Amino acid sequence: AQSVTQLDSQVPVFEEAPVELRCNYSSSVSVYLFWYVQYPNQGLQLLLKYLSGSTLVKGINGFEAEFNKSQTSFHLRKPSVHISDTAEYFCAVIARSKAAGNKLTFGGGTRVLVKP
Amino acid sequence: DTAVSQTPKYLVTQMGNDKSIKCEQNLGHDTMYWYKQDSKKFLKIMFSYNNKELIINETVPNRFSPKSPDKAHLNLHINSLELGDSAVYFCASSQGRGGHAETQYFGPGTRLLVL
Repeated sequence: AQSVTQLDSQVPVFEEAPVELRCNYSSSVSVYLFWYVQYPNQGLQLLLKYLSGSTLVKGINGFEAEFNKSQTSFHLRKPSVHISDTAEYFCAVIARSKAAGNKLTFGGGTRVLVKP
Repeated sequence: DTAVSQTPKYLVTQMGNDKSIKCEQNLGHDTMYWYKQDSKKFLKIMFSYNNKELIINETVPNRFSPKSPDKAHLNLHINSLELGDSAVYFCASSQGRGGHAETQYFGPGTRLLVL
């Protein structure tokens, strides 16, 4: 089984400041890693995903994340946030197993509030 | 030209009623999913269908029954609604049936409130 922990439930940040959202996971098998964003009253949208290769993954809207296998982490960063980045951010994993289907296991979410 | 659409967007109903939520995707994907997001924003998968075949069935009360008439549609029927069923229900779809971390595309959600 997999579990995902997002260490911060809420992150307030000023506009144009950097932000880092922390994500740690636990799994008995290798996993694929994802970050999704949910804008207010909307569905989820994929920001980026790590499948293999370079541990630094670049996504949409200037976000990037780094996979650290030894620390079982997949932290998300953006060097300069905008008001429009105010949203809920979800880290998620899928087990690297066809038998597992495409089952996303989500963390509890981190609410980012960008202040002017 | 919405990729994944859900109806209704809002649903307010009384305890004990039976209701359905519909989902349609026009992406040509083979796999569709239902997720539940509770009041604390926690998201959990409920079901997954691939080409009308059930492939993921999490621990969900049997009052919840998914139905897939074709691979572009996955509906969720809920019998004898309870207060705890109040949540946002998201439909999603992806190409393939898993094993390759296919991106899932989410619908806008159906906000269900049981009174």
